[in-house]
Amino acid sequence: NAGVTQTPKFQVLKTGQSMTLQCAQDMNHNSMYWYRQDPGMGLRLIYYSASEGTTDKGEVPNGYNVSRLNKREFSLRLESAAPSQTSVYFCASSRDRGTYEQYFGPGTRLTVT
Amino acid sequence: GDSVTQMEGPVTLSEEAFLTINCTYTATGYPSLFWYVQYPGEGLQLLLKATKADDKGSNKGFEATYRKETTSFHLEKGSVQVSDSAVYFCAFYNTDKLIFGTGTRLQVFP
Repeated sequence: NAGVTQTPKFQVLKTGQSMTLQCAQDMNHNSMYWYRQDPGMGLRLIYYSASEGTTDKGEVPNGYNVSRLNKREFSLRLESAAPSQTSVYFCASSRDRGTYEQYFGPGTRLTVT
Repeated sequence: GDSVTQMEGPVTLSEEAFLTINCTYTATGYPSLFWYVQYPGEGLQLLLKATKADDKGSNKGFEATYRKETTSFHLEKGSVQVSDSAVYFCAFYNTDKLIFGTGTRLQVFP
């Protein structure tokens, strides 16, 4: 059981380049989330998808777009990367919205130069 | 607004020492409370949770009690091991979203 998988694990971009971070879960979860983790700031929610076909902004959505491709997959796109987007990105999923435990992927370490 | 406050780290302990990591929260109502742990180079894992007042969550020797009166959910362990070295996050649900604290790094030395 793979749980939550993310690709790539590491990425270096130049300012202005675009890329898509991929996330997939095999637990038949309804809800999926994208976070970024920065030193001293904990985890901040970028976007989430409470159920297939819906997406909503989190705390720090500017500069990002998301697509809930199907129930399993939730991608995060940076259209024009900026150095401020250098961070570790985590995808997570949960059975449903509300009080359920979230399961996290291993993370993608992104550096924008 | 809703928030979680955790003690700043790093917390540095010798093996077999007693651990307390403080967590207090500001929230509307009585949310479910969580402790997540992040080992080096990995994603977060749920350590324990409590869903209502006076509940005690426990796992791997760690415990935390949901204190409604003091809006706290302090993490404790009686005897830490080197393998417990990690970053610990306190969190609660606000409608659809988890609200995280900034994390507390624990370093345990032999």
